[in-house]
Amino acid sequence: QQQVKQSPQSLIVQKGGISIINCAYENTAFDYFPWYQQFPGKGPALLIAIRPDVSEKKEGRFTISFNKSAKQFSLHIMDSQPGDSATYFCAASKNRDQTGANNLFFGTGTRLTVIP
Amino acid sequence: EPEVTQTPSHQVTQMGQEVILRCVPISNHLYFYWYRQILGQKVEFLVSFYNNEISEKSEIFDDQFSVERPDGSNFTLKIRSTKLEDSAMYFCASKRVIEAFFGQGTRLTVV
Repeated sequence: QQQVKQSPQSLIVQKGGISIINCAYENTAFDYFPWYQQFPGKGPALLIAIRPDVSEKKEGRFTISFNKSAKQFSLHIMDSQPGDSATYFCAASKNRDQTGANNLFFGTGTRLTVIP
Repeated sequence: EPEVTQTPSHQVTQMGQEVILRCVPISNHLYFYWYRQILGQKVEFLVSFYNNEISEKSEIFDDQFSVERPDGSNFTLKIRSTKLEDSAMYFCASKRVIEAFFGQGTRLTVV
C-alpha cells in the first residue's frame, strides 16, 4: 500500500519560474509532512516541513500548501534556479505528542530540472 | 553544524557475505533509523531504534538484518548473508524529537 503518492515524476522549469510538486496521503493519523531535497549521490536533506494545524508555511522561496480535507500537500518553489535542480521527496509521519520513533513514509520523488 | 556521518561511502561485497554499515548519529538525538533507496526509487524505511531496542521494523527488515548501538555513539546495520537485491543506498537518520536528519549514505553493491 502506497501511503504517500507524489507527482509529477519529473519536472522541467525555466529559471525564474514556479515549480510545483504535489503529494497526497492516505493515513489520517499522519500529522507531520516534511519535504526533502536530494542531490545525486547525497542523502535527503530536510527542506521544509508543515503540521496540519496550518494551511501554508513559507521559508524563503519555498512554500508548502496543505489541504487537510483533501489530504493533499504541495511544494512551491518560487523563482526557481538551476541550483534547485535535484530530486524532491515529500514524506509523512505520525508525530502526535512528539513522542515515538514514528518513521517517515516517502513519496516516489520528483526530479526537478531548472533550465537557465 | 552537527551531521550524521556514515562509513564506508561505498561497499562492494560478494553475494552471501556479511556486511556492516556504520553510522554516527547526531550526539543528542534519541531516535535512530535505517532507510534504503534502490537506484532511482523512493526511500524506504527499514528499522527504527530507541532506548537501545528496535521500535519498529518494516517487512524488508527480515532475519538477515540486525542493528546495534554498541558503544553509545555508533549505530550499525548488519546484513548477515547479502543477496543481489540488497544492492542499494543505505541511509542512516537520527532525530531528537521531530526533524529527522539523514547521513550521506553507503552505496552497497552486491556482486
